Amino acid sequence: NAGVTQTPKFQVLKTGQSMTLQCAQDMNHEYMSWYRQDPGMGLRLIHYSVGAGITDQGEVPNGYNVSRSTTEDFPLRLLSAAPSQTSVYFCASSYGEKLFFGSGTQLSVL
Amino acid sequence: GDSVTQMEGPVTLSEEAFLTINCTYTATGYPSLFWYVQYPGEGLQLLLKATKADDKGSNKGFEATYRKETTSFHLEKGSVQVSDSAVYFCALSAGYLNNNDMRFGAGTRLTVKP
Repeated sequence: NAGVTQTPKFQVLKTGQSMTLQCAQDMNHEYMSWYRQDPGMGLRLIHYSVGAGITDQGEVPNGYNVSRSTTEDFPLRLLSAAPSQTSVYFCASSYGEKLFFGSGTQLSVL
Repeated sequence: GDSVTQMEGPVTLSEEAFLTINCTYTATGYPSLFWYVQYPGEGLQLLLKATKADDKGSNKGFEATYRKETTSFHLEKGSVQVSDSAVYFCALSAGYLNNNDMRFGAGTRLTVKP
């Protein structure tokens, strides 16, 4: 069972560059979400989706875009990276209240 | 808004020591409470949960009791092992199907030495 798969695992960007973090799940979960993890702040919700075609903002959505064209995929886009977006990003899907997390993407913006 | 506060780390223990990681919460309703664990290089995994007052969640020797009177959900283990070294997150969810209202604590890093 693959579960939740995130790519890439590591990425270094220059300020102003764009990129997409990929997330795919094979558990047929309707709910998917993106979090960022920063030291001393735990996980904060960026965007979430309750099903294909439906997305909404979380706690810290600025600077990020998402789309949900299929149940399996939920990519996170950074249109113009900023140093403040240096973080570890986790994608999750959920069944009821139980979240299943990917292994994370460590992003550095220089 | 709803929030979770957990003890700051890092916590360093010797093998077979007793572990307590404190967690308190603030919520307007009746949230479900969770402990997630993050092993090095991995995503978070659900460790245990409790959905109502006085419930006790347990898994892998870890326990936590939902205390409404003290708004707490402290994580305990009687005898830790080196393999328990990880970061532990307390979390709450005030919703059910939609986890957009899941709130996480800052995490507590535990290191267990042989």
